[in-house]
Amino acid sequence: GENVEQHPSTLSVQEGDSAVIKCTYSDSASNYFPWYKQELGKRPQLIIDIRSNVGEKKDQRIAVTLNKTAKHFSLHITETQPEDSAVYFCAAKADSWGKLQFGAGTQVVVTP
Amino acid sequence: KAGVTQTPRYLIKTRGQQVTLSCSPISGHRSVSWYQQTPGQGLQFLFEYFSETQRNKGNFPGRFSGRQFSNSRSEMNVSTLELGDSALYLCASSLGGSTNTEAFFGQGTRLTVV
Repeated sequence: GENVEQHPSTLSVQEGDSAVIKCTYSDSASNYFPWYKQELGKRPQLIIDIRSNVGEKKDQRIAVTLNKTAKHFSLHITETQPEDSAVYFCAAKADSWGKLQFGAGTQVVVTP
Repeated sequence: KAGVTQTPRYLIKTRGQQVTLSCSPISGHRSVSWYQQTPGQGLQFLFEYFSETQRNKGNFPGRFSGRQFSNSRSEMNVSTLELGDSALYLCASSLGGSTNTEAFFGQGTRLTVV
């Protein structure tokens, strides 16, 4: 089955700097890659997703890149702010009938 | 548009008891997935239902079961509770169907087994 690895497990950045989280997946059939942000005590919220027919997608300060050949995808947050502090999860899904496999999560701490 | 609703928000149960959790998806969504979230194991997939049928199942013992009703609301049941079942149980709803669509999570049910 699908296995998703996520790195790093924790990431501390200064406000205004960029943050990058990387994920790799094992199932070459995976074609949907969402990213979720979970603040303490709250539900995971979808922040951006990408499908395998696209190499990059951007939404304001966040962007996701996908390298199908290498089977890895990354989340980029620019100009980080304290409210970006949260746990971020990447996930991969092979098809509409498959399960969403999550990475272990990255705790991002943005210090003012 | 109302979001995904899970009830109850908190539960405290004793070892050996059983528990039923409920999830009401976003209106129009036909797929409901359940996840167990613990600090050590992250988000673990339990099962997914679409049109009242279980489509996928994760690697959990048979004590964990679920069902989906004709209005797409879903329940999960855990029998013979163990201390290790203490976790945040999240459900996620999506349109389902032939293409991948966004999944939206409920607030979760925090289960504590004592």
